Amino acid sequence: NAGVTQTPKFQVLKTGQSMTLQCAQDMNHEYMSWYRQDPGMGLRLIHYSVGAGITDQGEVPNGYNVSRSTTEDFPLRLLSAAPSQTSVYFCASSYSGADSDTQYFGPGTRLTVL
Amino acid sequence: DQQVKQNSPSLSVQEGRISILNCDYTNSMFDYFLWYKKYPAEGPTFLISISSIKDKNEDGRFTVFLNKSAKHLSLHIVPSQPGDSAVYFCAAGSGTYKYIFGTGTRLKVLA
Repeated sequence: NAGVTQTPKFQVLKTGQSMTLQCAQDMNHEYMSWYRQDPGMGLRLIHYSVGAGITDQGEVPNGYNVSRSTTEDFPLRLLSAAPSQTSVYFCASSYSGADSDTQYFGPGTRLTVL
Repeated sequence: DQQVKQNSPSLSVQEGRISILNCDYTNSMFDYFLWYKKYPAEGPTFLISISSIKDKNEDGRFTVFLNKSAKHLSLHIVPSQPGDSAVYFCAAGSGTYKYIFGTGTRLKVLA
């Protein structure tokens, strides 16, 4: 099992560019989520999905889109990158999303927007 | 408005002694609490959790205490080891699939 994988590890964008951060898990987990980590802010939930075809917003969804066409993949799209989106992005998954389920995190993508 | 707060950004402890990491929350709807450990350049990994129906949960060297009336939880690590040096996040959930994380405490265990 690879667990939760994220690509790329690092990315530099110019303001206004678009890109997709990839996330995949091979544990057949229904629940997947995206967080961003900023200094002094902890991890903040961007979007989450409780199963294929179902997504919902977290705390800080503006500027990001997600889709969940398969159980395995949960890509995060930045349509027009802004410097405020410079952050480290983590994808996570768990079996059902219930509080008692352990969330498994990917290694993160460090994004810089110039 | 931070619903989950870790007021100590950093903590240094001698090897073999107890490490106590604290977390406060404001939302009384939270009923499940978790601690994660994070090493540099890695994603957080789950450490220990506690449900609001309990006031203590233990797993080896790690114990989490929950004081619901004070809306406070703490993580005790005994004895502390140099490999425990990491950033620790507490998180809270209320059955809505939305976990709220604290800002983290960087623990340094001195050999």
